[in-house]
Amino acid sequence: AQKVTQAQTEISVVEKEDVTLDCVYETRDTTYYLFWYKQPPSGELVFLIRRNSFDEQNEISGRYSWNFQKSTSSFNFTITASQVVDSAVYFCALSEAGQAGTALIFGKGTTLSVSS
Amino acid sequence: EAQVTQNPRYLITVTGKKLTVTCSQNMNHEYMSWYRQDPGLGLRQIYYSMNVEVTDKGDVPEGYKVSRKEKRNFPLILESPSPNQTSLYFCASSPILQGGFYEQYFGPGTRLTVT
Repeated sequence: AQKVTQAQTEISVVEKEDVTLDCVYETRDTTYYLFWYKQPPSGELVFLIRRNSFDEQNEISGRYSWNFQKSTSSFNFTITASQVVDSAVYFCALSEAGQAGTALIFGKGTTLSVSS
Repeated sequence: EAQVTQNPRYLITVTGKKLTVTCSQNMNHEYMSWYRQDPGLGLRQIYYSMNVEVTDKGDVPEGYKVSRKEKRNFPLILESPSPNQTSLYFCASSPILQGGFYEQYFGPGTRLTVT
């Protein structure tokens, strides 16, 4: 069965520190999609990135970077030089291809607190 | 602006009083879905729809109904709400990719309290 584990429940850092949020997934499908979402204190869910299982290239977007490693079933998210505005709950999610109606399977989320 | 809208954003109601939470998207997405978010349980899918008149149960469908009469709308109906349906509800939509899905775009959420 598919599963997403975010072992870090809460992380606290000081501004300008780098922080990595871990995500480990389980799936029997060979084709699947991984996502990261951000939920700021205002409550909405903001899409950050989608990664296909056949594309292991790491991605960088400004201060955000993602490291996808199929060998360890991990899809970690790093924020470089964190800022107070990065304080939020971050969710990793998995979607399996080829199954009609497959939901996004979310991890429990990591609450990131960035203090000034 | 491309978006998913939900109404109401906040609702306090009493046990047994039927209610509907509306969801609408303007992106012509085929796929729409409802999730509920509860502390310690994360987000769980309630119902989903692959297209007009095509709906199916998610992981936690008990106590909910949905309909998809138009592509843009996907209302969530609670026929007889109970306190255990107090939760934060999200509607989401996505285009359907051959063999998989694109990212889902979420509405702003509806915080429901049933007393």
